[in-house]
Amino acid sequence: GAGVSQSPSNKVTEKGKDVELRCDPISGHTALYWYRQSLGQGLEFLIYFQGNSAPDKSGLPSDRFSAERTGGSVSTLTIQRTQQEDSAVYLCASSLGGPNNQPQHFGDGTRLSIL
Amino acid sequence: DQQVKQNSPSLSVQEGRISILNCDYTNSMFDYFLWYKKYPAEGPTFLISISSIKDKNEDGRFTVFLNKSAKHLSLHIVPSQPGDSAVYFCAASRRGGADGLTFGKGTHLIIQP
Repeated sequence: GAGVSQSPSNKVTEKGKDVELRCDPISGHTALYWYRQSLGQGLEFLIYFQGNSAPDKSGLPSDRFSAERTGGSVSTLTIQRTQQEDSAVYLCASSLGGPNNQPQHFGDGTRLSIL
Repeated sequence: DQQVKQNSPSLSVQEGRISILNCDYTNSMFDYFLWYKKYPAEGPTFLISISSIKDKNEDGRFTVFLNKSAKHLSLHIVPSQPGDSAVYFCAASRRGGADGLTFGKGTHLIIQP
């Protein structure tokens, strides 16, 4: 498909387990972003990649969260030792250039539920 | 501290009339603004954007207006159609920023027949 693809679409796991979320950006898009939307809240920015590097990781909520992007394409967001407050929809977006003058295009997200 | 605010959680408009969604921001470093539309269980869909060097951008039924002095933008949809019923998010990014978009909490637009 031509859009941003995320997997899995839904993930239910027990508290304390690790989870890995995957994002395939639109082909040719150099910038990739992760956001999360908790219930009743707006979208919260987590991290941004330009190519394979992340200029700023300060948006990640805690050191249990990490993200990587290899080959300038696919990205994974990993949450270690999940907590109930990690339950949210995790959204990935990509854009042709950086965040300042190009619209970001979103995938449909991964709905993460921590029991 | 919310830097992008959408003060109306919901808005009801009759089909065929104009829908006006409002957004205020506090960070004067924001220079690129976007509107997204979101249906349940789907990701946000990009609608229209505007750079701070402009005060208006139009695309079909959608027009975005930017008032920099008031730190206010609005999205006009005319005429409103039933398929426009969705949650609309205002978003902004700052000059030289590497921190993605800052979103408002959204306005649920309901188009009534």
